Amino acid sequence: GAVVSQHPSRVICKSGTSVKIECRSLDFQATTMFWYRQFPKQSLMLMATSNEGSKATYEQGVEKDKFLINHASLTLSTLTVTSAHPEDSSFYICSAPRDYSYNEQFFGPGTRLTVL
Amino acid sequence: GEDVEQSLFLSVREGDSSVINCTYTDSSSTYLYWYKQEPGAGLQLLTYIFSNMDMKQDQRLTVLLNKKDKHLSLRIADTQTGDSAIYFCAGEAPPNTPLVFGKGTRLSVIA
Repeated sequence: GAVVSQHPSRVICKSGTSVKIECRSLDFQATTMFWYRQFPKQSLMLMATSNEGSKATYEQGVEKDKFLINHASLTLSTLTVTSAHPEDSSFYICSAPRDYSYNEQFFGPGTRLTVL
Repeated sequence: GEDVEQSLFLSVREGDSSVINCTYTDSSSTYLYWYKQEPGAGLQLLTYIFSNMDMKQDQRLTVLLNKKDKHLSLRIADTQTGDSAIYFCAGEAPPNTPLVFGKGTRLSVIA
């Protein structure tokens, strides 16, 4: 089946630094990718919709200047957490629908971010 | 928009059947999904059901959909310790839109 990868799988950084997370669709093209954040024992919260060739659409309450999204190609979207703080520590997961008609969504394995 | 509700915890004995329930609000969801998340890992698609179906069976998994009551369930037969995880139901409406997740049901399997 289709595969979505994320890199890195885990990252630990100091407060104030920026962290870039990559989401790649390995064997299909994804004009749209979604970024989710998951807090411990809570469900996934959609952060933003990443659109190839255009600006990302952010959900209410998500700071677009803090969580920069770039959908550089049909197989790559990046999420950059700028000036990270301990409260940004979370599990970040991306997903990509394979194609318009079928709409099966494939999830990346997730990136665990720990900000010290 | 879509709202999805699940019970938060379920505990069963190994070998028994598990039934995880989910209710949703948006009857226009085309597909309804069940995902499994093991500790520290991303989501794994277990199964999905198209909205015009009542039931779908896939090995140990049975999905039941009651569109009238907007109720979705996942039955795991012969539950094993490896089935211990969090199970999310999710629904969507138009294609290529983000899924709306329930809060997840934590299944604990007791040996």
